[in-house]
Amino acid sequence: DAGVIQSPRHEVTEMGQEVTLRCKPISGHDYLFWYRQTMMRGLELLIYFNNNVPIDDSGMPEDRFSAKMPNASFSTLKIQPSEPRDSAVYFCASRTGLSYNEQFFGPGTRLTVL
Amino acid sequence: QQQVKQSPQSLIVQKGGISIINCAYENTAFDYFPWYQQFPGKGPALLIAIRPDVSEKKEGRFTISFNKSAKQFSLHIMDSQPGDSATYFCAASKETSGSRLTFGEGTQLTVNP
Repeated sequence: DAGVIQSPRHEVTEMGQEVTLRCKPISGHDYLFWYRQTMMRGLELLIYFNNNVPIDDSGMPEDRFSAKMPNASFSTLKIQPSEPRDSAVYFCASRTGLSYNEQFFGPGTRLTVL
Repeated sequence: QQQVKQSPQSLIVQKGGISIINCAYENTAFDYFPWYQQFPGKGPALLIAIRPDVSEKKEGRFTISFNKSAKQFSLHIMDSQPGDSATYFCAASKETSGSRLTFGEGTQLTVNP
């Protein structure tokens, strides 16, 4: 298996622009997570899905952020409009529904908002 | 009650030494305690994990010690190597009611040659 796939790996955009981050989880995994990592705040859970349904979006910072999972093999995280404080590394992760199983992280998308 | 507190924030160890990272949690319902290792430019990856029914788990040079009464657990890296230089995150979850991991703040470990 290729692991969790994220695209793009790097994104540089200007303030006010729309940004869409993409994730393909490992086949057969029931759970998908979106995280944001910064030096100041560490690793934050933004939202997670179970069987394509959003379970907890309490970590989504504000209405500018939205996430979708239209099917079991694809998810997006959208920021509109983007702001400089959104600059971070965004990780997608997936795991099976079996208890005590590993959560597999993707390589991340480094977002820079100018 | 969902927090996991991790210390130290950074750690410098000489090659061959022992690295120790500590974590404390509040939620007594947590029943799974993994440690993740992250190298620069990569996503975190599972290193070792423990359940609260045992007090220690060892895998090679890596050991988790777990103290249920104190609500603390720690990672020990024996014979630390420069290749161990990375950021380490402890985490906790309540596996019986969802798969959300609560992560600690992370510890940046540097092992000098």
